[in-house]
This record gives sequence, structure tokens and C-alpha cells, in this order.
Amino acid sequence: EVQLVESGGGLVQPGRSLKLSCVASGFTFNNYWMTWIRQAPGKGLEWVASITNTGGSTYYPDSVKGRFTISRDNAKSTLYLQMNSLRSEDTATYYCTRDMNIGTTFDYWGQGVMVTVSS
Amino acid sequence: DIVLTQSPALAVSLGQRATISCRASQSVSISRYNLMHWYQQKPGQQPKLLIYRASNLASGIPARFSGSGSGTDFTLTINPVQADDIATYYCQQSRESPPTFGGGTKLELK
Repeated sequence: EVQLVESGGGLVQPGRSLKLSCVASGFTFNNYWMTWIRQAPGKGLEWVASITNTGGSTYYPDSVKGRFTISRDNAKSTLYLQMNSLRSEDTATYYCTRDMNIGTTFDYWGQGVMVTVSS
Repeated sequence: DIVLTQSPALAVSLGQRATISCRASQSVSISRYNLMHWYQQKPGQQPKLLIYRASNLASGIPARFSGSGSGTDFTLTINPVQADDIATYYCQQSRESPPTFGGGTKLELK
């Protein structure tokens, strides 16, 4: 059974940093691209970052480029999201997702972790 | 960015057909591939993939869900609607980066 379990969320002040983790199990982690997607309270879904299966390439929207860094440790089957210079608009539930290997289609999602940016 | 437009809500009776639409600001089809996907999200839960590439049922999804469309217009159909289907449905395109989602359609009981 595929499982994605996020951790690391919480309350953080604007301008500070936070690092999310996602432990994967039930599949061969290093065969799949992985993606973080977020959802602000009561709002829709927004793509945050993607990483290739080897970790050799990463992709971001303009809204987080230069502030967020996605990475992975294939030996530990773990995905990370380092978030720096956090803003109030980064407040959201962050989901770890597996890409389906047919392009950016997300076939498994973690339960999500809440990040609140507030003073 | 490709903008996906969905109606905010749809009211339906149990046992009836629900048709949820998604319109893209430009074509999301390449050759024979229609790069539109559908997700279901129940309150307090993570989204779940229902349909990929417009018409392919994801693993474990009941056959009462189906998808169709090409180019800029896509439809998710639920027939018949069951109580467990009350949720918000999102479309998502993978034709161009960044991948974008529609605003979601909340399926409600009439």
C-alpha cells in the first residue's frame, strides 16, 4: 500500500523558515517524480514544487521560486520542502504527492500538514 | 498560465446524474492525449485522483465515475450519484507548466 506521511508543520513567524518532510512507503521511491501541492484555508489547490526521480532537476512556480527548495533522499525514501522567508500567504495545508509518471498527474497524496505563518 | 474554470457548485439528487464541467483558457490536448485530470476532495481529507488523461479511471475508482472531453472543454460525470460522492471536485491540466487546477465544484444534495 502506497503511503505518504508528512511532518514538520506548525506556527511560524513571517520571515522565518520551516522544513517539511514526507516519508514514502509501499513503492519504489526512486522511480517517481514527487511534488508538493498546497491549499490555503477554504481555497483551491496550488502547485508548489516538483523534483525528478533522481533529484537532478527541480521546478517551482514564481510565487515560491528563490524561497522554497524541494529535495529528496532516495536512500531514506523521504521528500523535503525547505521554506525560507515565509509570508502570511504561504499559510496552507501542504500535501506531498507522487507523480504518476505520465506527466504532472498526482496519483497518491499524503494527509497533509498545516503551516501557519503569523506573528 | 492555463486557467481552468469550473462552476462553484452543483446541486443534484441522489440516484441522478451529475455533470461537472471544466473549461481551459487554451487547448490542453496534444495529439491523442487530453491532459486533463480530475480529483475528488471530501471535507478534511486529501484530494484523490479519479480520472487521468480526461477519460481513464484511476485505480480503485468506481465505474459510476467517467470523464470526457478534448481541447478546452472537459466533463466529469457521476451516474448515479451516491451519498458518498458529496465532495468538491477539481480539474487539473498537465499540458503546460505550471500545472494548474480549477477552482473546484462543490457537489451538493438537492
